[in-house]
Amino acid sequence: EAQVTQNPRYLITVTGKKLTVTCSQNMNHEYMSWYRQDPGLGLRQIYYSMNVEVTDKGDVPEGYKVSRKEKRNFPLILESPSPNQTSLYFCASSLYFRGDTQYFGPGTRLTVL
Amino acid sequence: AQRVTQPEKLLSVFKGAPVELKCNYSYSGSPELFWYVQYSRQRLQLLLRHISRESIKGFTADLNKGETSFHLKKPFAQEEDSAMYYCALSGGETSGSRLTFGEGTQLTVNP
Repeated sequence: EAQVTQNPRYLITVTGKKLTVTCSQNMNHEYMSWYRQDPGLGLRQIYYSMNVEVTDKGDVPEGYKVSRKEKRNFPLILESPSPNQTSLYFCASSLYFRGDTQYFGPGTRLTVL
Repeated sequence: AQRVTQPEKLLSVFKGAPVELKCNYSYSGSPELFWYVQYSRQRLQLLLRHISRESIKGFTADLNKGETSFHLKKPFAQEEDSAMYYCALSGGETSGSRLTFGEGTQLTVNP
């Protein structure tokens, strides 16, 4: 089944403890991105990647890192999480470009204490 | 800078009534506009895009460049339309490959 998967789905952690949220797609998509969803603010793009080894900042990149070593994987790294990063995170992918249909993962609910 | 505004956070209508979800954008070039929908306990998914000019589940949206709007409309709302709706904008080359979403509108269709 063609899909975008994220792990973990739920995570509670403490301030400063490094964590990684994985994202994987099996559709051979080139474009992948990460969003955070907060009440009243909608979805805000954190980082995106046009292809392997090509990443760029979205609207709210502070406090996050990403890497794209393989086409199918696009992990989101929080080196030193803080409570203001408590949010619902979505990974998405599309075939080529930002204008293509975005396919979203199920979301990861992160709580930073 | 590109920006999308959805002025209504909550919208409630009765079944069979017309519904319009507003979306206004700010972008200096020629944007691509989308509507995404998130039903309860489901993933966010594309509803429609302006370049397709198609009707999905009875919904339509017309890009009005003069008013910089991309309102989503349906003549007769159904209970299954209850969901969170997001308007999104993709700018041209000068904006990189950012996709900007609005704040979202929670639509409730009452029986």
